[in-house]
Amino acid sequence: KAGVTQTPRYLIKTRGQQVTLSCSPISGHRSVSWYQQTPGQGLQFLFEYFSETQRNKGNFPGRFSGRQFSNSRSEMNVSTLELGDSALYLCASSLGQGQIGYTDTQYFGPGTRLTVL
Amino acid sequence: AQKVTQAQTEISVVEKEDVTLDCVYETRDTTYYLFWYKQPPSGELVFLIRRNSFDEQNEISGRYSWNFQKSTSSFNFTITASQVVDSAVYFCALSERMDTGRRALTFGSGTRLQVQP
Repeated sequence: KAGVTQTPRYLIKTRGQQVTLSCSPISGHRSVSWYQQTPGQGLQFLFEYFSETQRNKGNFPGRFSGRQFSNSRSEMNVSTLELGDSALYLCASSLGQGQIGYTDTQYFGPGTRLTVL
Repeated sequence: AQKVTQAQTEISVVEKEDVTLDCVYETRDTTYYLFWYKQPPSGELVFLIRRNSFDEQNEISGRYSWNFQKSTSSFNFTITASQVVDSAVYFCALSERMDTGRRALTFGSGTRLQVQP
């Protein structure tokens, strides 16, 4: 089975611009989660999508948004970029099934490294 | 708040040495899930193990072993006979219940392991 893929792998943007990152989950996985990794804050959860609906959200400002398509592919958008948004953005996929409170294993993609100048 | 502590920032060993990576967690949940991931220089988080709180049996997988102790809230990871290819950053993670009732991963700050030839 192919793993999680993310595009692009590298991006350079300037402050004030917006950016869209893409994630294709493992075949059969319906949940996609996004994480931000920075040297200062470490790995932090952004949000999770399942069946085209956001069902979980971390503590990030509204400039960070996402969506999921019917084929489970997901996009993440950051508007009005700030220098502090420079980070590695990791996408993870999982089956996503199971009752609330359950955690299944998340498999991560290679990430998109975003640099904001 | 739930959190994960990896007190060892960086460890350096010589090939064939055994090394243990420590992980201490805090949670008020009676049911929770713990994970270990490996992040090589390429950036992708590689899943190593998932452990449910109600299963305290230790696990061995080749040169890798994990010691889960609820009494001390620890989930330590040992690599036996380390190899240069084990060089990476290792993350311990706890599934955290969010306001939605659903869970997301809270990561420790990671331990960088360098295995010298």
